[in-house]
Amino acid sequence: DIQMTQSPSSLSASVGDRVTITCRASQTIGSYLNWYQQKPGKAPKLLIYAASSLQSGVPSRFSGSGSGTDFTLTISSLQPEDFASYYCQQSYSYPHTFGQGTKLEIK
Amino acid sequence: QLHLQESGPGLVKPSETLSLTCTVSGGSISSTNYYWGWIRQPPGKGLEWIGNIYYSGSTYFNPSLRSRVTISVDTSSNQFSLKLRSLTAADTAVYYCATQGYSSGYYELDYWGQGTLVTVSS
Repeated sequence: DIQMTQSPSSLSASVGDRVTITCRASQTIGSYLNWYQQKPGKAPKLLIYAASSLQSGVPSRFSGSGSGTDFTLTISSLQPEDFASYYCQQSYSYPHTFGQGTKLEIK
Repeated sequence: QLHLQESGPGLVKPSETLSLTCTVSGGSISSTNYYWGWIRQPPGKGLEWIGNIYYSGSTYFNPSLRSRVTISVDTSSNQFSLKLRSLTAADTAVYYCATQGYSSGYYELDYWGQGTLVTVSS
């Protein structure tokens, strides 16, 4: 299985901050990397697919980059509704494994 | 706009079999655009991909669960189902059904059900 490692596991930030979350794959996965946002008690929501493609309806303050083994999710200016958990997922090979998650909290 | 809804028991006894169904509305489960997948999340923990199925019946499973899992599709009811056998407390989780985009080529999980909590306990 491909292991996905996110960092940091948790992060405190303020409204208006620029935030970056990193995801590293244990082997190359090309651009087969997706990012999800999950709020408590809710299903995950797709933010970014194919490493950098913004899902329809997702605000442009979210962006993704990277290829191969190293990827980043950036939120350019944090809004109150962005405080949530974030997960990366590789869809290069089965099983489609997730990172362990990053919890973004209000400072 | 696809809508997915899980249904099934909230409490199952150890060693028994969990059966969950995902009902799809707003589109056809025979669509060539999607795989139909299952993901679970133990309370307070991260996400685990369980497996998926294409409308043709082609399936892929997480090796950690393969020996205990069956996923099937019922095109007449526009539903797909998950069966997980020989349950233990470690199978307690919120179970989600979701679409995996096939037309994009990236198998992203784009539409999700709301999730259903399954507790394994005697």
